[in-house]
Amino acid sequence: AQTVTQSQPEMSVQEAETVTLSCTYDTSENNYYLFWYKQPPSRQMILVIRQEAYKQQNATENRFSVNFQKAAKSFSLKISDSQLGDTAMYFCAFSSGGGADGLTFGKGTHLIIQP
Amino acid sequence: DAGVIQSPRHEVTEMGQEVTLRCKPISGHDYLFWYRQTMMRGLELLIYFNNNVPIDDSGMPEDRFSAKMPNASFSTLKIQPSEPRDSAVYFCASSWDLGAYGYTFGSGTRLTVV
Repeated sequence: AQTVTQSQPEMSVQEAETVTLSCTYDTSENNYYLFWYKQPPSRQMILVIRQEAYKQQNATENRFSVNFQKAAKSFSLKISDSQLGDTAMYFCAFSSGGGADGLTFGKGTHLIIQP
Repeated sequence: DAGVIQSPRHEVTEMGQEVTLRCKPISGHDYLFWYRQTMMRGLELLIYFNNNVPIDDSGMPEDRFSAKMPNASFSTLKIQPSEPRDSAVYFCASSWDLGAYGYTFGSGTRLTVV
């Protein structure tokens, strides 16, 4: 079974700073998908960004970008120009190419943006 | 589309009572997933359906848990009898595939069993 590890339980940065959240995963598959989800205090799980393992180019969505290192099995999320609304739990998730196990989530990182 | 709709948003029940959580997936999504979120265990997949058929229920913790999907627009997760350790947030999610594009989640049901 795949595992997803987020080693930073909590992080705190000042507004407008750049912050990077770490994620590593373990799999023997070559084709898979990686995701970052945001869970604000409202509890809603919001898809932030998606990466296909067979694409070398790192995904970008506005202020959010990833650093995907396939050989190292690393998938970090960078948030630029952080805003107060970015305060939330962030979950890294893995899905195999066949998806038989569904999405596997890490334990999450609680990100706090300080004014 | 209104997204994935779950009800109730909060549920408080006494130990031993039956609890039913409800979910309406996004129209056109063939897959429906039930997840449980706790501080200790994080997000765990309980069961998923494809075209209303249960495919993998290996995550269902005990026989006290059961899930049904009688049609493409409705699913239930039932706990009978409920226990305090069942207290958690239960999410329903839907997708048109098994995971290449991620899932759309509902807003969850916070269950408290006292």
